[in-house]
Amino acid sequence: EDQVTQSPEALRLQEGESSSLNCSYTVSGLRGLFWYRQDPGKGPEFLFTLYSAGEEKEKERLKATLTKKESFLHITAPKPEDSATYLCAVQDGEETSGSRLTFGEGTQLTVNP
Amino acid sequence: DTGVSQNPRHKITKRGQNVTFRCDPISEHNRLYWYRQTLGQGPEFLTYFQNEAQLEKSRLLSDRFSAERPKGSFSTLEIQRTEQGDSAMYLCASSPMGDTQYFGPGTRLTVL
Repeated sequence: EDQVTQSPEALRLQEGESSSLNCSYTVSGLRGLFWYRQDPGKGPEFLFTLYSAGEEKEKERLKATLTKKESFLHITAPKPEDSATYLCAVQDGEETSGSRLTFGEGTQLTVNP
Repeated sequence: DTGVSQNPRHKITKRGQNVTFRCDPISEHNRLYWYRQTLGQGPEFLTYFQNEAQLEKSRLLSDRFSAERPKGSFSTLEIQRTEQGDSAMYLCASSPMGDTQYFGPGTRLTVL
């Protein structure tokens, strides 16, 4: 069974203080690893898809990286508007799993001005 | 707005009542998914459709839950005889074939 563990559960940063969020995963055959951002009371907003170890993607102050066991979401010089819950999800490449996403519990990020 | 839409956004019901939610996917996305999310947790997969065919159902989807996607367009999720444990955010997502899933704003269900 696919498993995703995110750490830390919560993270408080000062504006401009860079940090990283971790996503460890167990999957029989990785089809894709996804990062989403979720604001309170809203649906997840897509950020990145990573497909293979060594791949990196960037968007503004965010950079996602992938190894065979984990992914990191690096946040450089964050701003208060980056405050949100960041969700990691994996998609299994096995036929029987369809294309469902298995999510972690998320990291709640707060950036103070 | 060309994103995924869900209605209603909020639903309050009494235990034992039936409720139905609607999801309109991004046009031309042939896959549609339903997830459930409780406070402090990540979304959990419930079921998905490819066009009008329901291809997979989670063990979380009890007999009280049923989903349809007539004509491969919008989808409905019905919960019969609601229980307090059904209180959650119900999320719909759509994707082109097997690709990135885009989520709607969700329907918040509260069962009293």
